[in-house]
Parts: sequence; structure tokens; C-alpha cells
Amino acid sequence: DIVMTQSPDSLAVSLGERATINCKSSQSVLYSSSNKNCLAWYQQKPGQPPKLLIYWASTRESGVPDRFSGSGSGTDFTLTISSLQAEDVAVYYCQQHYTSWTFGQGTRVEIK
Amino acid sequence: EVQLVESGGGLVQPGGSLRLSCVASGFTFRTKWMHWVRQVPGKGLVWVSHVNRDGSARTYADSVKGRFTISRDNAKNTVYLQMSSLRAEDTAIYYCARGGEATLDYWGQGTLVTVSS
Repeated sequence: DIVMTQSPDSLAVSLGERATINCKSSQSVLYSSSNKNCLAWYQQKPGQPPKLLIYWASTRESGVPDRFSGSGSGTDFTLTISSLQAEDVAVYYCQQHYTSWTFGQGTRVEIK
Repeated sequence: EVQLVESGGGLVQPGGSLRLSCVASGFTFRTKWMHWVRQVPGKGLVWVSHVNRDGSARTYADSVKGRFTISRDNAKNTVYLQMSSLRAEDTAIYYCARGGEATLDYWGQGTLVTVSS
């Protein structure tokens, strides 16, 4: 099974500042035939189901603000929130879908 | 608007059974894979099972293999999760989710399953 490891487990960022979350997979999730990384990012707010933010590592889901961006390839990925807003307080999960589906442990983002 | 509505959760004794349902609307159900994912309150997400478009292919997490069965009824726009030999560690919120272009793209609100005596 592919293990997904996020860092940090939590972070506190001032409003308007940048938040960066890292995700590392135990093996590459790059489909060589399509050159696409099978990596997604989700946002989960308290009492709500997860919401898809990013797929194929860097493609923003429709309606997701452009302050959210994804990058990386192979085994190392990053979710960046360029200017943190109050409504971005949530837990963020990375997920691979290269082989079955597995999630990282989550990163809690709070306001400093 | 895509909607997924789960039902069937509740309190069940260890060793018991429960069947969850998820009714879909707002999209052509028969064209999408469907998934179940669970989450212990306050903890992380764990993928449980998936079924392909016509129900001919199903996969399971090792933790539920042999105990849980996923199925779907495309005429009723419904996906099911039959859970048996339930254990305390199966206690969680169970979400159904749609398989989109790349991965799980829409999720229901979830249904809580509590396994306890």
C-alpha cells in the first residue's frame, strides 16, 4: 500500500500570510503514460464532509479560489494557500489514487 | 446539483450487521464509480470500498475485506454497503463519494455507525 505522510500536523498562520502543507508518498504516483500525478487535496471544515480542492496534483477544482495551488511530482507534493483567509481554517488532506486510494493523516490550519 | 444522501447508520452490537445506503441525484449515476470512506470523529479519512459503473468490479480495504460488501442499483441511483461481523473499530462516520474524472469529487454528509454493547 502507498503511505501518504503530511507535514506539519498543524500550523498557525496570520491572516493574509502564506500557508504551505507538504505531502510525501511512499512511492511515485506519477502515471508515466499520461504524465499525470495521481494526487489530490481536500479541505474539511468541522461538521462537514471533505471538499475536493486540487486534483492531478495541480488542477484546481471548479469554484476553488485561486489562492489555493498545488505543485509537485513523483513523491513530493505541496498545497499552498497564498493569502490565508478566515474561512480557510480547516483540516487539509492529500490523497493518492495511483494504486487504490489512501489519504494522508491531515494537517490542521489555524489562524495565528 | 450533485447530491449524495447516506442513511442506515446507527447503534449495533459487536458481531452485528448493518446496511448503509446512499442515494444519488443530479448526475447520471450509472456512469460513475462510487466509493465509501469512513472517518472516526476527530480522526483522519480512510477509504473503505469502491464499485465500478455496472457493479462488476469491487475493491475493499484490507481492514474490511470479507466482512463488508459494496453493491449498487443503477435503476434506483443507490449504492449500498453491507457490513457484517462488525467490530468496535468499525465505529465511524461513513461517507459515500462519487468517483470523478480523477478521484473522489463529491461527498455526502455521512452517516454515523456506532458499534458497541
